[in-house]
Amino acid sequence: GAVVSQHPSWVICKSGTSVKIECRSLDFQATTMFWYRQFPKQSLMLMATSNEGSKATYEQGVEKDKFLINHASLTLSTLTVTSAHPEDSSFYICSATTNRDSPLHFGNGTRLTVT
Amino acid sequence: QKEVEQDPGPLSVPEGAIVSLNCTYSNSAFQYFMWYRQYSRKGPELLMYTYSSGNKEDGRFTAQVDKSSKYISLFIRDSQPSDSATYLCAMSALDAGGTSYGKLTFGQGTILTVHP
Repeated sequence: GAVVSQHPSWVICKSGTSVKIECRSLDFQATTMFWYRQFPKQSLMLMATSNEGSKATYEQGVEKDKFLINHASLTLSTLTVTSAHPEDSSFYICSATTNRDSPLHFGNGTRLTVT
Repeated sequence: QKEVEQDPGPLSVPEGAIVSLNCTYSNSAFQYFMWYRQYSRKGPELLMYTYSSGNKEDGRFTAQVDKSSKYISLFIRDSQPSDSATYLCAMSALDAGGTSYGKLTFGQGTILTVHP
């Protein structure tokens, strides 16, 4: 099956710094990847849709200047949390699909803690 | 009102029991239905997906969709301790870009514990 790899699995950073999270599709090409966020004991919420070679599409309420998304190739999307604050501490999960008629496969997530 | 409602549980059952997990939804545009399993500190793992109303079976798992009632279910037969996890229902509509499964709306998740 489709494998999505995410790195790092966890990261701790100081308030005000930036953190980059990578999402790779290992055995397929993904023109579109999706970034979700999950707060403790809550469900996943879509943050943005990452499109290869074009700008990401952000969901309402998600600051595009704070959560920078780059989808430079068909197998790699990155999410950079800029000027991180403690309220950005969360579980960030990326996903991708092999084609529009197949369901999403998720990475194992990145747990971000901002101190 | 949330678009997708799922009983958060927790649900605790003995090994071997039949487990029933349910979600209701309000958005009639939802056409694609999925069940994911999520272990602690891991990403969701796809269990089942379906497009049409009716039943779909895969091993010990059966997914049921009733679009007229806007109700979906996941049944787990002969439950095992390894089934202990959070189960998430997810749904999507056909979006403007033509992506069927792209933008998912999740339920809150049901925490299931199967004890030996």
